[in-house]
Amino acid sequence: NAGVTQTPKFQVLKTGQSMTLQCAQDMNHEYMSWYRQDPGMGLRLIHYSVGAGITDQGEVPNGYNVSRSTTEDFPLRLLSAAPSQTSVYFCASSNRLFGLAGAKGETQYFGPGTRLLVL
Amino acid sequence: DAKTTQPPSMDCAEGRAANLPCNHSTISGNEYVYWYRQIHSQGPQYIIHGLKNNETNEMASLIITEDRKSSTLILPHATLRDTAVYYCIVRVRIQGAQKLVFGQGTRLTINP
Repeated sequence: NAGVTQTPKFQVLKTGQSMTLQCAQDMNHEYMSWYRQDPGMGLRLIHYSVGAGITDQGEVPNGYNVSRSTTEDFPLRLLSAAPSQTSVYFCASSNRLFGLAGAKGETQYFGPGTRLLVL
Repeated sequence: DAKTTQPPSMDCAEGRAANLPCNHSTISGNEYVYWYRQIHSQGPQYIIHGLKNNETNEMASLIITEDRKSSTLILPHATLRDTAVYYCIVRVRIQGAQKLVFGQGTRLTINP
């Protein structure tokens, strides 16, 4: 299994540009989430999905859109990038919502991250 | 909603046991305590979780006090590769739904 994969690894955008961050998992997990991490801070939840066709907002959803057309993929779209969206973005998947307990193995698996710089 | 308090940083000598404390004084009776770590520039990695009893796996041990208001993550023989930020997490209700919220964690440095 590849686990959770994210592309691209690094991206530079100009203010106002749009782009899509890709996330895929091959573990047949129902639940997927997007987080952002700013320097020196913990992760903040952007959007999450409890299954194909079902998404919901997290703590900081403004400026981001998501969709979940398949179990495997959960792309994050920035419609009009702003410097405040400069961050590292992590995608995660699990077979329980946010990996909440909890037998062993029902945890969240995180991707390697995408570093986004908005100028 | 339960939240956690951790020291911002700790040091430990290589080969020694690293003991990372966490306070979660408002935790509810049915809420688990989770530990994740994040090695520089990588995604967070699950370590262990527990409810009431002490837990041990191949990575670490988790000691939870009887009143469940605090816990300690133990890395029994720390190596340089254990240098990371360690997050102690409990559930938090956001917009009516339970979620795991990552705080700032403890930056653990293992020294040679």
